[in-house]
Formats: sequence, structure tokens, C-alpha cells
Amino acid sequence: EADIYQTPRYLVIGTGKKITLECSQTMGHDKMYWYQQDPGMELHLIHYSYGVNSTEKGDLSSESTVSRIRTEHFPLTLESARPSHTSQYLCASSDSHSGNTIYFGEGSWLTVV
Amino acid sequence: QKEVEQNSGPLSVPEGAIASLNCTYSDRGSQSFFWYRQYSGKSPELIMSIYSNGDKEDGRFTAQLNKASQYVSLLIRDSQPSDSATYLCAVRDAGGTSYGKLTFGQGTILTVHP
Repeated sequence: EADIYQTPRYLVIGTGKKITLECSQTMGHDKMYWYQQDPGMELHLIHYSYGVNSTEKGDLSSESTVSRIRTEHFPLTLESARPSHTSQYLCASSDSHSGNTIYFGEGSWLTVV
Repeated sequence: QKEVEQNSGPLSVPEGAIASLNCTYSDRGSQSFFWYRQYSGKSPELIMSIYSNGDKEDGRFTAQLNKASQYVSLLIRDSQPSDSATYLCAVRDAGGTSYGKLTFGQGTILTVHP
């Protein structure tokens, strides 16, 4: 069972607000990921990190940014939210020393009005 | 562009039947394959992983891999209504700077009716 936590789980905010979605894992996994998924649609990788101070953009372009200052923490920030950012954001992690299986957090549902 | 293709369904099977879910992938160098189950409004949950050609069984689930045909499948025996969910096929990128990332298919919606 994976120990990966996301907050907030649900968020409704106004256009133009800055938001940060938090993601923490207690397993010491070196790799962390952010996926975006609209309801009933595919998962798309938007950011990933191979370790502290390492971040890369994923396959789907995103206006969000991420940071990895600590191994266990991988927050995602939107400087100015727009309705087009309404989606589910899923954080995940994996350990390259034990099979690299990816485990997901419970997700953060973001609605921008 | 690496691709993972699934039949989006919905696939409807009666309770107790075998559900067969299929997936093809484009990256011939891929070595690791995963099936995730996702209930509506929830996050994906890992069901099976498979790395070698052939079958891998875990309870009612069997994953099948054929690298020559670039094909991976999931069989669910004795299907239960609680198996109703979206099943996501995922393929790990073969290597280079993208090592470790998963590419997901669009998912197959499975409905098991009593």
C-alpha cells in the first residue's frame, strides 16, 4: 500500500487566483509525478522529478510549475488559475531501486470558476 | 509519439463470466507493462505488472504479454459487479531521458451486470 498524500482533495477557486496543490510521500521514493485527468478522459503526464532539484515537463503542456526541494514533497503551483485548469490532478511516486512501480495519491479535484 | 491503445468500450459482461481487456503499444523497446483499475472519481490502483512474455496470474486476474505482437491483455475470471471500473493499460518508456515514465492508454470501461 502506497503512502502518498494530496491536499486539498477538492478545491473551488476564482479565476486569477494562485493555488498550490500539495503532494507528500513517506516511502522515500526518488521519483515523483503529476498527472492531469479530465473526467472520463486519459491520464496525461504534466511534470516529473527524478530526485531533489530535478524537475521535467511531461508529455502534456501545462501552465503549472513544480518544485522538488525535499525528497518527500512535490508541490504543483498555478500562478493564475483559469477555468481551463479545471481538472483532476493526480500525484504519484515510484522507487527506482525497487521496480519503479508507480503508486498514485487520491487526487486533487480543482474547479476554477 | 509513444502510443498505448485500448478499446474504450464499454465492455459489458454478466456476473461470473470472463472479461477480456486488450491493449497494444507502439514502443517496441518497452519492457514493463501494468494494469491499473480506476473507479469513478478515484485514483488508479495497480492490479498487475508483467515484464516477460507469457501469462502471469494473481487470483482472478491474468495478465498476458506478447512482445513480438506488442500486445498485452488482462483477463478477469468470475467477474463480479465490484469489478465494474475503468481499466488502464500502462507501458513504461523504454529508456533514455524518459526512463521510468508511464504512458497510459485511454482506458476500457468494464461493466459487470448481475
